[in-house]
Amino acid sequence: GEDVEQSLFLSVREGDSSVINCTYTDSSSTYLYWYKQEPGAGLQLLTYIFSNMDMKQDQRLTVLLNKKDKHLSLRIADTQTGDSAIYFCAQKIDNAGNMLTFGGGTRLMVKP
Amino acid sequence: DSGVTQTPKHLITATGQRVTLRCSPRSGDLSVYWYQQSLDQGLQFLIQYYNGEERAKGNILERFSAQQFPDLHSELNLSSLELGDSALYFCASSAWSGAGSTEAFFGQGTRLTVV
Repeated sequence: GEDVEQSLFLSVREGDSSVINCTYTDSSSTYLYWYKQEPGAGLQLLTYIFSNMDMKQDQRLTVLLNKKDKHLSLRIADTQTGDSAIYFCAQKIDNAGNMLTFGGGTRLMVKP
Repeated sequence: DSGVTQTPKHLITATGQRVTLRCSPRSGDLSVYWYQQSLDQGLQFLIQYYNGEERAKGNILERFSAQQFPDLHSELNLSSLELGDSALYFCASSAWSGAGSTEAFFGQGTRLTVV
């Protein structure tokens, strides 16, 4: 199957770290992505990780991939109120197309 | 700004009507994807075009069709509209060459409301 699952909601205090989790079912995923969607806006690509990597860090963002458990996480350090948004993880499988299968999104609320 | 342009931003139309959504990909990107975001279905892949040809098909209804033109812009045509077609329609583009991954960049979306 190609299901991607995320928890619906996460609330953190400003300055804390946020960890958004995602599980996927298809072990043939080649790339996994994190997108951010702010209210009324489109999808912004935050980062992605190749399936042969365990970790990728990009400024405040750290992506961890546990391929054995098919678990992906996004850690946001020093979370700010501007990080409040919906975060989508997505997987890509190198088949005939190049489409992404998205999770349902996690709404991150950052309290001052 | 992702470089992907979608028009119009908002569209309100009546049931039974037909609409066309337009997408201009990022400069140099050959692949265009269409996605539908609705409250009940989440983000669903509809269809992909690569350099003018259909490359992959997802959960696209028969009432919907798309094409990619020689200048690489794409249109998504939605006909015999139903209330349940109300959603945010995203276009994304990538340089996809068939090897490895390239990032897909999304436009701001077209919000379609069917009344």
